[in-house]
Amino acid sequence: DGGITQSPKYLFRKEGQNVTLSCEQNLNHDAMYWYRQDPGQGLRLIYYSQIVNDFQKGDIAEGYSVSREKKESFPLTVTSAQKNPTAFYLCATEGRENTGELFFGEGSRLTVL
Amino acid sequence: AQRVTQPEKLLSVFKGAPVELKCNYSYSGSPELFWYVQYSRQRLQLLLRHISRESIKGFTADLNKGETSFHLKKPFAQEEDSAMYYCALSLGAGYALNFGKGTSLLVTP
Repeated sequence: DGGITQSPKYLFRKEGQNVTLSCEQNLNHDAMYWYRQDPGQGLRLIYYSQIVNDFQKGDIAEGYSVSREKKESFPLTVTSAQKNPTAFYLCATEGRENTGELFFGEGSRLTVL
Repeated sequence: AQRVTQPEKLLSVFKGAPVELKCNYSYSGSPELFWYVQYSRQRLQLLLRHISRESIKGFTADLNKGETSFHLKKPFAQEEDSAMYYCALSLGAGYALNFGKGTSLLVTP
């Protein structure tokens, strides 16, 4: 089924390497989000984008970067500057109606070795 | 900044018992509040929003501005309700959702 596709599902990285997580959507939604999910921490906002070529930092943007060159795509790069990158990353979209209903991907689990 | 508080990490109830998952928020204006649910091996999804004032899967939640709370309630818990529940707050259109830390609900037979 379409919707939101995150890839890869699992990713291993050595310390000091950058890694990019993909998020693609075919819902024609304007807004896209990246959250980080850690046990006991809930979901914390990394970056979000309300429209193409524009994005805003969330609460924990340090060590991450994003781009929004196309409406369908919102990749997240975890840089070597991120102190504790091992986590589960969730991408979400929101329709133009801004109802607060987010549609989530299945997530990507990043492990730094 | 964390604006949503879910005081219980884990809540365990017996099947058929009432369940209440607590959510408190800190915001002086008129927020929009939501409950999201994540069942095992499924994607996180919207359960209900306060604006709709609807009951979904037997769950209801009332916004209490005086107590700044948005507790999720169900009179008779079912085993299939076992899941992770997140309370979330939005300051309005154009603002990202701010989530609580979540409560894991376990309904035992």
